Amino acid sequence: DGGITQSPKYLFRKEGQNVTLSCEQNLNHDAMYWYRQDPGQGLRLIYYSQIVNDFQKGDIAEGYSVSREKKESFPLTVTSAQKNPTAFYLCASSSDRGQNSPLHFGNGTRLTVT
Amino acid sequence: AQSVTQLGSHVSVSEGALVLLRCNYSSSVPPYLFWYVQYPNQGLQLLLKYTSAATLVKGINGFEAEFKKSETSFHLTKPSAHMSDAAEYFCAVTSSGTGRRALTFGSGTRLQVQP
Repeated sequence: DGGITQSPKYLFRKEGQNVTLSCEQNLNHDAMYWYRQDPGQGLRLIYYSQIVNDFQKGDIAEGYSVSREKKESFPLTVTSAQKNPTAFYLCASSSDRGQNSPLHFGNGTRLTVT
Repeated sequence: AQSVTQLGSHVSVSEGALVLLRCNYSSSVPPYLFWYVQYPNQGLQLLLKYTSAATLVKGINGFEAEFKKSETSFHLTKPSAHMSDAAEYFCAVTSSGTGRRALTFGSGTRLQVQP
């Protein structure tokens, strides 16, 4: 079955360490996205990519970095510069055939930094 | 700029009662609107979307939403709530003609269904 795989499901890190969250899709979608979810705040866009080797900052990109070397992969690195990294991170993709293409989501990675 | 406001962070209904989750949007150009559902510790699943074809949109699991331009609203309804409808619901918007092809989400409404 096609879908989006995020790994790991739970991740624990010490403050000051960089950590990379994996996102892989086999839907042959062009566009991929990273959102951060905090209780009561909905989803906020971190980064998105519409094509391989290109990506744009979202609303809260500070302290994060991404790469898009392959169409199916869009890893997110949470750097030590991110002041409040503990959150639920969701990866999504869309066919990007138009503005009305729905997003397909992975099951998320819950990151806890202590 | 586009934005979404979901009125009521928590809604509680009895099983079999009407479900009404409110969403108001702001967009300077014609919007595309979506409702997603999220079960605990999972990603989001598309319920339905409005893309200007019809103002009343039917989705999965018996949900529907009506686009009202005059009220800038896209409220989600279901005639009869089921226990399995308990989840968090998100309204989202994007707009044609904008350079950014990414959804803007509301803050979510958690639906509780009482037996």
